Amino acid sequence: SQKIEQNSEALNIQEGKTATLTCNYTNYSPAYLQWYRQDPGRGPVFLLLIRENEKEKRKERLKVTFDTTLKQSLFHITASQPADSATYLCAPRGNNDMRFGAGTRLTVKP
Amino acid sequence: GAGVSQSPRYKVAKRGQDVALRCDPISGHVSLFWYQQALGQGPEFLTYFQNEAQLDKSGLPSDRFFAERPEGSVSTLKIQRTQQEDSAVYLCASSLRTRTGNQPQHFGDGTRLSIL
Repeated sequence: SQKIEQNSEALNIQEGKTATLTCNYTNYSPAYLQWYRQDPGRGPVFLLLIRENEKEKRKERLKVTFDTTLKQSLFHITASQPADSATYLCAPRGNNDMRFGAGTRLTVKP
Repeated sequence: GAGVSQSPRYKVAKRGQDVALRCDPISGHVSLFWYQQALGQGPEFLTYFQNEAQLDKSGLPSDRFFAERPEGSVSTLKIQRTQQEDSAVYLCASSLRTRTGNQPQHFGDGTRLSIL
C-alpha cells in the first residue's frame, strides 16, 4: 500500500543551525511534492512545491530537494530561528492524491 | 474575508447527537476539501468537491458522515449519531482550480469537535 513517512515525530535544534526534515514515500510516483507548516491550533499553510523534474527549489531560508529514485524529499531551514518552531507536513501528490504525512514537530531553541 | 473560514471553532456534543460544520472557502476557488486531523497526526482526506459536484468521498469513514456544497461555494460537513471516535479537528481547504497535485491548498483553522 502507499505510505508517506516523515523522519521523526520531533526534531530539536539550536538557533542558527540548519534543520533537515525527511519525507519518504513508497508504492507510488508523485509528480509533485508539497510542504506545509502547521502551528498549534491553526490550519496548515502552504510553503513550497517541487516538481518531479526539479531536483531542488529554494525560497528565502528554505530549500527542498526531490529525489524520485530514492523516493525522498528533504526540507531544509537554514539559519533557523525560534519562530520556525512548528510542525512541518509533506504531501507527495499525483493528480488524484490528497494525502499528507504525519508531520515532524520542529523546535528551535534560542 | 481573504481566507478560508470555518465555524464553529469549537463544538462539544453528546454521543448520539448530530453536528454540522461549516466552511466558507476563498471566493472563486473551484476545489474544496475536507480533512480530519487527530492529535499528533497529519490531516486525513475525507472528501473533495469540484464546484457543487462531490467527486471523491472515498475518505468518509462511515455513512454517518455526509458533506454538501449545493451552490459551489459554502460547504457543510454533517456527522449523524456522533460517536467518541469522531472527536478530532475537522479542516477545510480550498484551491483555485481543479484537483491537481500542483495546486496549493488554502486551509481554514478547523473546527475542534469533542464528543462526550
